[in-house]
Formats: sequence, structure tokens, C-alpha cells
Amino acid sequence: SAVISQKPSRDICQRGTSLTIQCQVDSQVTMMFWYRQQPGQSLTLIATANQGSEATYESGFVIDKFPISRPNLTFSTLTVSNMSPEDSSIYLCSVDRVFYNEQFFGPGTRLTVL
Amino acid sequence: DQQVKQNSPSLSVQEGRISILNCDYTNSMFDYFLWYKKYPAEGPTFLISISSIKDKNEDGRFTVFLNKSAKHLSLHIVPSQPGDSAVYFCAAENQGGKLIFGQGTELSVKP
Repeated sequence: SAVISQKPSRDICQRGTSLTIQCQVDSQVTMMFWYRQQPGQSLTLIATANQGSEATYESGFVIDKFPISRPNLTFSTLTVSNMSPEDSSIYLCSVDRVFYNEQFFGPGTRLTVL
Repeated sequence: DQQVKQNSPSLSVQEGRISILNCDYTNSMFDYFLWYKKYPAEGPTFLISISSIKDKNEDGRFTVFLNKSAKHLSLHIVPSQPGDSAVYFCAAENQGGKLIFGQGTELSVKP
């Protein structure tokens, strides 16, 4: 399995600020994804982070609010912009690897917005 | 519109007994299903999967059953152990390779 780390593991932020979450994988992967898990809810896909091109966003998520970078095959960032309390969630990155049918998830970043 | 549903938010089982977690889906085009287990403060970890060409897949204490006509899958854990206590998510993979998750079922296995 892939070893995936996320930074920060948790943060408490003020309304109106932005937070950038980093996801680092120990090996090159084809696909990287960002998910959100709001309190008591399921995991919802925010976007697919594409290496060398713009991320592909799911319905209900926009680049201005959740800009994503993926400068290489092992690293991606998700920024939560202009935060509000509704953005309080766990944010998870996951990766898809060749020859594996399942996605592997990072430990998550628990964000609380006051 | 919730395409993958886990209607039981929680389940409590005695150690040594069978745990059965259920999942329903609405899209008949889904062809691959996965179960993930999640402990608090950790990311989900893959548990077991099943392709739509099968109706059963077994891995040790874990068995997943798929009933395509009913659009229903279930995860059986037998015998259940206290360490199995976690939130279990079922997920379906769509044609784009993206995972759609259910809401999760919190399993508690009591000694």
C-alpha cells in the first residue's frame, strides 16, 4: 500500500481566512483525489488533482473556493479559501495506484472554522 | 440524490457473533464495490471489494455479498472482535473510476 501523509493533521481557523493542506505520497501515483467528510456525513469527492493541469471539480465545488495544485506525481495541495464555519470538516486525500483496484487514503486533516 | 446508502448508522454486536453491515445503491451501472474501515483520527483503510461479475468475495473473517438484482451488498464479519469496532463505509466505483460513498455504519463489538 502507499504511505500517504497530510499536513496539518488538524487546525482551528478564523472565518474569512484560508488554509492550505498538503498531501505527500511515498511513491509516484497516477491519480490523486481530495475528499471532504462533514460531521456525521459521508465522504464526498471534491476534485481530482491532475498532474500538470487544472484539477477536475465535482458538482458543487469550484476552483475559487478549493484551489488545488499538483506539481508532481507525489504531491498535491488543497486550499480552503475564505473559510466559514460550514467548511469545518475532515479533508482527506487519496491516491489510485497502478495494479491496485482500491484507493488509499491519507490520515485526514481536521479543520475547525470559528 | 444519495446513490449509495447505508441505512443503519450504528450496529452493536457481541464479540464472537456475526456482524452484518448493509449497503444499497441505485445506479445499475456501478460495477465495482468496496468496503472501507475507518478508526477515529485516521483515514479510511481498504477492507474488501467485489466486482459485479461475482456475488461473493471472501477474505478471512470478512465476506462481501452482492445481489445485483436487488442493488444490495452486505459485509459479514465472523467472528466479530472488539478490534473491529469502527465506522464502515461502502463505496461504489462509477465509470469514471470515482468512488461514491455511503454514509457509514458505526460498528461496536462488545466483549
